[in-house]
Amino acid sequence: TQLLEQSPQFLSIQEGENLTVYCNSSSVFSSLQWYRQEPGEGPVLLVTVVTGGEVKKLKRLTFQFGDARKDSSLHITAAQPGDTGLYLCAGRSNDYKLSFGAGTTVTVRA
Amino acid sequence: DSGVTQTPKHLITATGQRVTLRCSPRSGDLSVYWYQQSLDQGLQFLIQYYNGEERAKGNILERFSAQQFPDLHSELNLSSLELGDSALYFCASSWQPTSQGAEAFFGQGTRLTVV
Repeated sequence: TQLLEQSPQFLSIQEGENLTVYCNSSSVFSSLQWYRQEPGEGPVLLVTVVTGGEVKKLKRLTFQFGDARKDSSLHITAAQPGDTGLYLCAGRSNDYKLSFGAGTTVTVRA
Repeated sequence: DSGVTQTPKHLITATGQRVTLRCSPRSGDLSVYWYQQSLDQGLQFLIQYYNGEERAKGNILERFSAQQFPDLHSELNLSSLELGDSALYFCASSWQPTSQGAEAFFGQGTRLTVV
């Protein structure tokens, strides 16, 4: 059982469309991170959110941390083929563990 | 390049054998994490070390062990290997093990194939 549940598991959209990936948990995290992983590579950190309700923007990517620090979302505006990859959320708890969700595979078609 | 180095990149071995995976963290990082990633299980946390000491343990099998050395590099030892141990093994490092904002940087992984 995953501590962090990500949805949807797979997402395929056309270039230019918007998408949202969700990360939910019943646990409270001191911080939450989003990573993107490409085949054969290690996950690469996109953003860290720390404060409940925090919103961070990274170009066309918007990340939000829930008020209760149990959930987060990643929204991509006007997706491009270069956004294709596995998006992983990871929550850091006070016992030092960094736990990952199963990931959302995003495919952006040209 | 994340600055985390893992060797070897690929490893093929037979069932019942023992292998050692090595990880050199980013310069200055004291904390090392090991993860296993398989197609059906996603990225599973195995174990974490901070400055040579074990800090957190996840779903690590008894056949697996790890350690962090005084120079901060880490090794993951996998013994009595089974076909189901075939996976990508990732090492990540961060400068501290504590909560807020301690970002983890991943190596490129070791792909282990047990035949």
